[in-house]
Amino acid sequence: KNQVEQSPQSLIILEGKNCTLQCNYTVSPFSNLRWYKQDTGRGPVSLTIMTFSENTKSNGRYTATLDADTKQSSLHITASQLSDSASYICVVSGGDYKLSFGAGTTVTVRA
Amino acid sequence: DAGVIQSPRHEVTEMGQEVTLRCKPISGHNSLFWYRQTMMRGLELLIYFNNNVPIDDSGMPEDRFSAKMPNASFSTLKIQPSEPRDSAVYFCASSLNPTNEQFFGPGTRLTVL
Repeated sequence: KNQVEQSPQSLIILEGKNCTLQCNYTVSPFSNLRWYKQDTGRGPVSLTIMTFSENTKSNGRYTATLDADTKQSSLHITASQLSDSASYICVVSGGDYKLSFGAGTTVTVRA
Repeated sequence: DAGVIQSPRHEVTEMGQEVTLRCKPISGHNSLFWYRQTMMRGLELLIYFNNNVPIDDSGMPEDRFSAKMPNASFSTLKIQPSEPRDSAVYFCASSLNPTNEQFFGPGTRLTVL
């Protein structure tokens, strides 16, 4: 069964600090992995996408990494801001329309 | 572009009532998806349309759920009769084609009392 596991479930950080979120997956075949940001009361929005051959991708203060051999990904948030408070969802595609979703990590940034 | 549009944003209804959720996908997108999000189960695919045709409805939980896409710019998800366990956030998403990035709407928060 295709699974995507994220850790931690939630975390609290102070504004300006960095944090790293983890994603492990067992999806096969593998096409790409996206990190989505979901603000409270909103739909998920894609932050980054990585294919098998890519091992890092940045989007502003967000940097995602991918190790396709160990089937692990991480999302690093640098110099966090209050607006980074959200749920971050790891989503893996096997190449068709079906996506495998992680349960998400809830990040709370405090001033 | 206005993005994916969903209505209503919030719906509170009583058990046994019919509920209709609406979605307008991004113009030009030929794939449309309905998802349900709960704390317990996260995001789950309910049904997938391609070029207005239902391709995969294996995620529709029961016969109480039905979805239609009468044209390329409109889709509905109907629950009849509704039950308290249907309470969740329902998202509509669309993509240019089945394997491209899916763009999500703002969701409809459904509460069934």
